Amino acid sequence: DGGITQSPKYLFRKEGQNVTLSCEQNLNHDAMYWYRQDPGQGLRLIYYSQIVNDFQKGDIAEGYSVSREKKESFPLTVTSAQKNPTAFYLCASSGQGRRAFFGQGTRLTVV
Amino acid sequence: GENVGLHLPTLSVQEGDNSIINCAYSNSASDYFIWYKQESGKGPQFIIDIRSNMDKRQGQRVTVLLNKTVKHLSLQIAATQPGDSAVYFCAETHQTGANNLFFGTGTRLTVIP
Repeated sequence: DGGITQSPKYLFRKEGQNVTLSCEQNLNHDAMYWYRQDPGQGLRLIYYSQIVNDFQKGDIAEGYSVSREKKESFPLTVTSAQKNPTAFYLCASSGQGRRAFFGQGTRLTVV
Repeated sequence: GENVGLHLPTLSVQEGDNSIINCAYSNSASDYFIWYKQESGKGPQFIIDIRSNMDKRQGQRVTVLLNKTVKHLSLQIAATQPGDSAVYFCAETHQTGANNLFFGTGTRLTVIP
């Protein structure tokens, strides 16, 4: 079944802890993205990657890090420097057609 | 960032009526527009798209209208059903923008049975 998979669905982080959110796609898309969504708000771009081994900061990259070692995978690490990490995180990918396909999201909560 | 905004944050319609959701954008270089539907706790799903060389595009029960003169986009849903209740986002992108999608706040559509 083709698509984009995020895991875990729910994640809890203690203060000062780093956590990593997984995003995998089997759509053979070159571009992958991470967005953050807060309640009642739209999607804000954290990081994006147009090709393997390359990525760029989005609008709210501070406190986050990413890697793109494989075409299929684009993990996002929420570091302890991110002071307000509680949010819904969405990963997306797109190909030549520029239409983005989204995963089902990871809800991160600080405890 | 880009300014892709929606005129109304909430919209309530009677089941069976038509719904119209509006969106404004500010970048005249935008050449590709997408409407997404997001149900609670889920990722956005593609509904319909339109390129800037078109004014109108129809899908199943949905129509997107693009007015480039006033930088306005709308989504029309015919015969709205309870399953249409969700948040709807418009997004725009342009060739010079590294293919980033810029999203508006969204409109929450509630269908009243």
